[in-house]
Amino acid sequence: GQNIDQPTEMTATEGAIVQINCTYQTSGFNGLFWYQQHAGEAPTFLSYNVLDGLEEKGRFSSFLSRSKGYSYLLLKELQMKDSASYLCALRGGGFKTIFGAGTRLFVKA
Amino acid sequence: GAVVSQHPSWVICKSGTSVKIECRSLDFQATTMFWYRQFPKQSLMLMATSNEGSKATYEQGVEKDKFLINHASLTLSTLTVTSAHPEDSSFYICSASLRDQGARAVSEKLFFGSGTQLSVL
Repeated sequence: GQNIDQPTEMTATEGAIVQINCTYQTSGFNGLFWYQQHAGEAPTFLSYNVLDGLEEKGRFSSFLSRSKGYSYLLLKELQMKDSASYLCALRGGGFKTIFGAGTRLFVKA
Repeated sequence: GAVVSQHPSWVICKSGTSVKIECRSLDFQATTMFWYRQFPKQSLMLMATSNEGSKATYEQGVEKDKFLINHASLTLSTLTVTSAHPEDSSFYICSASLRDQGARAVSEKLFFGSGTQLSVL
């Protein structure tokens, strides 16, 4: 089976940097995704990691360590609009993508 | 990016009626689509995998006779909630997978429809 853990909530200040961690257990691995979801809306794709290391995309970066079953999403230069839920998602040995419970990020002025 | 259209956006129905939700991939063909449901402040729970031209694969605990899935073409999948009850009230989201060649690896990204908020009275 698969299991994904991420913090329930985080708070950060506008302009700062925040790191959202995700740990997982899985019997097979075909990639780890990060999605952003605002309340009442569908998730939007942020990043994808299948190889170890850091993937950078503008203000967002994502890191993966397959041996440790660990990933993080790094958000730089936080803006108020970044207040949302951030979902860590895992594609295991099959074709399905399973989502973590999500981390609600609150950005304060 | 790829566009997935889902409608209706919201629906209110009486208990015992059936509701159909459509999910279309507008600018690409989706051999496989996925249906998720989400309760308030919870994450997405995979309900079923919809395969074009074959029967859907349901996750454990999801009643296939209650949640009918039809994937009639490479661009359309439908979810019908039959004999809806108040406990079926939820946010239903479809998604389609598209292969993308990134800088370091090929990924199968999920693109989501806008979701359907179902309220059963």
